Amino acid sequence: AQTVTQSQPEMSVQEAETVTLSCTYDTSESDYYLFWYKQPPSRQMILVIRQEAYKQQNATENRFSVNFQKAAKSFSLKISDSQLGDAAMYFCAYGSGNTGKLIFGQGTTLQVKP
Amino acid sequence: AAGVIQSPRHLIKEKRETATLKCYPIPRHDTVYWYQQGPGQDPQFLISFYEKMQSDKGSIPDRFSAQQFSDYHSELNMSSLELGDSALYFCASSSGLGSGEQYFGPGTRLTVT
Repeated sequence: AQTVTQSQPEMSVQEAETVTLSCTYDTSESDYYLFWYKQPPSRQMILVIRQEAYKQQNATENRFSVNFQKAAKSFSLKISDSQLGDAAMYFCAYGSGNTGKLIFGQGTTLQVKP
Repeated sequence: AAGVIQSPRHLIKEKRETATLKCYPIPRHDTVYWYQQGPGQDPQFLISFYEKMQSDKGSIPDRFSAQQFSDYHSELNMSSLELGDSALYFCASSSGLGSGEQYFGPGTRLTVT
């Protein structure tokens, strides 16, 4: 069975600085995707960034980038130039390439200090 | 662009009652996933449908059932509700199984009293 682990329940960062959220996963599948979702207080699930496992190049989306280490089964999220609006719960998720179902980590609450 | 629609957005039921949650996927999406997120927890996969057939099943209680209709919308039926069923229920849709892109609806907040 696949598992996703986020070992940082809470993180904080000063506005305009950079923060990295950690995630590790375990799987025996060869075809899968990895995601970071943001969940603000409204509880809407917002896709931040997506990585195909077969791609070696790390995904980037504006201020958001990932460090995907396939052999180590690690998938961290780096947020650059942090903004107050980045404050939220962040979930790392594993997506099966066969069934598509998502398995989420426990989440990391990010606080951004002005 | 059209998004995933869920109705109702909020629902209050008493113990032992039944509830029906509806999900309307993005147009031309043929796959629907249901997730349950309890207070302070991560979302848990319940069940999914592809082309109107059940494609995968997670930790869904026997009291719950779901189906996908010919227009691709899906309904999650919950019977004999318990206090522990109080949660946020998300529906997500995608085009094809394992496509790597899954779009979430706003969720239905179910409160069981």
